[in-house]
Amino acid sequence: DTEVTQTPKHLVMGMTNKKSLKCEQHMGHRAMYWYKQKAKKPPELMFVYSYEKLSINESVPSRFSPECPNSSLLNLHLHALQPEDSALYLCASSHPVEGAGNTIYFGEGSWLTVV
Amino acid sequence: QQQVKQSPQSLIVQKGGIPIINCAYENTAFDYFPWYQQFPGKGPALLIAIRPDVSEKKEGRFTISFNKSAKQFSLHIMDSQPGDSATYFCAPRAGTYKYIFGTGTRLKVLA
Repeated sequence: DTEVTQTPKHLVMGMTNKKSLKCEQHMGHRAMYWYKQKAKKPPELMFVYSYEKLSINESVPSRFSPECPNSSLLNLHLHALQPEDSALYLCASSHPVEGAGNTIYFGEGSWLTVV
Repeated sequence: QQQVKQSPQSLIVQKGGIPIINCAYENTAFDYFPWYQQFPGKGPALLIAIRPDVSEKKEGRFTISFNKSAKQFSLHIMDSQPGDSATYFCAPRAGTYKYIFGTGTRLKVLA
């Protein structure tokens, strides 16, 4: 079983709704990630937090707003989404070790449907 | 330069066969070469990974072969089983946080 826990597993939201996806890890990792995955496509990096600071934003639209309250928690706040944002949203974590093989551990994802 | 080309797109083998999945890259700055396995409805999970100073690594039935000069690495699954049916992604690392995922290979192992 994965040690990265994501909630909710499924979410249906309207285009005017505000919702949040949550992620938690207890492996002591100091890097946490949000990826987006469409059906039959590879995961696409959205955001990376390292030591609770936003390190990478892959030009993600502002309707997606990440938050890292502490080293174990990562949220993705959703507002005014479009139907094309429907996808599997994956959280992941790793040790931020430069120059060595750090392993990314993924959660099982949150399936988001925007109607 | 970040592009990663994975092949084949899909693969069907009989139980006991040895499927081989290939990944070619251009970026010589990649410094870590993992393969991820993803079952339907689940997140990707690290299967096996290799560093560029090693040409081959085996873990159980899974082997990575790495050819630095050709800028290619491949995944071999020995004695494949129906439970290996999944999507496989190569994901070489370009920097501490950036893993560049290949397009994926859907493997089906027939019983």
